[in-house]
Amino acid sequence: SSELTQDPAVSVALGQTVRIRCQGDSLRTYYGSWYQQKPGQAPLLVVFGENNRPSGIPDRFSGSNSGDTSFLTITGSQAEDEADYYCHSRDSRGDRLFGEGTRLTVL
Amino acid sequence: QVQLQESGPGLVMPSETLSLTCTVSGGSVSSGSYYWSWIRQPPGKGLEWIGSIHYRGRTIYNPSLQSRVTILIDTSKSQFSLQLSSVTTTDTAVYYCARDVSQVGLDFWGQGTLVTVSS
Repeated sequence: SSELTQDPAVSVALGQTVRIRCQGDSLRTYYGSWYQQKPGQAPLLVVFGENNRPSGIPDRFSGSNSGDTSFLTITGSQAEDEADYYCHSRDSRGDRLFGEGTRLTVL
Repeated sequence: QVQLQESGPGLVMPSETLSLTCTVSGGSVSSGSYYWSWIRQPPGKGLEWIGSIHYRGRTIYNPSLQSRVTILIDTSKSQFSLQLSSVTTTDTAVYYCARDVSQVGLDFWGQGTLVTVSS
């Protein structure tokens, strides 16, 4: 199906590692990308492709993929990482897809 | 550094057409590597892809909005636009424009503009 599924909310203790997942059939064929969105701000691309970060994104952000699931991992979570995270991909028709978003709370 | 800026009315009457323009600076819209996209976000909700256009005019639209959406590009002005017809209150959202790069994703975004549909 042309949908991407994310857990609505995840929490992590300060300094710990958290993995946010995104599941969908299209991810078996196409890589996803991940976006961080803080309140009142536009989304920001943090991870794309197999495991790539745009310039300026800290290396504590990483990506991985397994079957129909894409993961965003934050290693050593910081308070400023508290945000909504969205995955994004495409389907075989070329339509773009967004996951519903995961709200990350840093405790 | 590529920059995108949305512009257009912040208030639209129900049943009318929402029209927004995205102006691109710091880069060319006429590159074969890019699509130029519109995304929206209703208050308190997630992101929804509306559609995308290539500089040569090829468009792809969200099937759920396709009957109401038109995206155009004007390479001479480095602008692309969105028209959404027959709007209802459910079309109230922050509308973003963004650059879509193959094998990468949406790497540059505008700041977003809130459009409210209300009488």
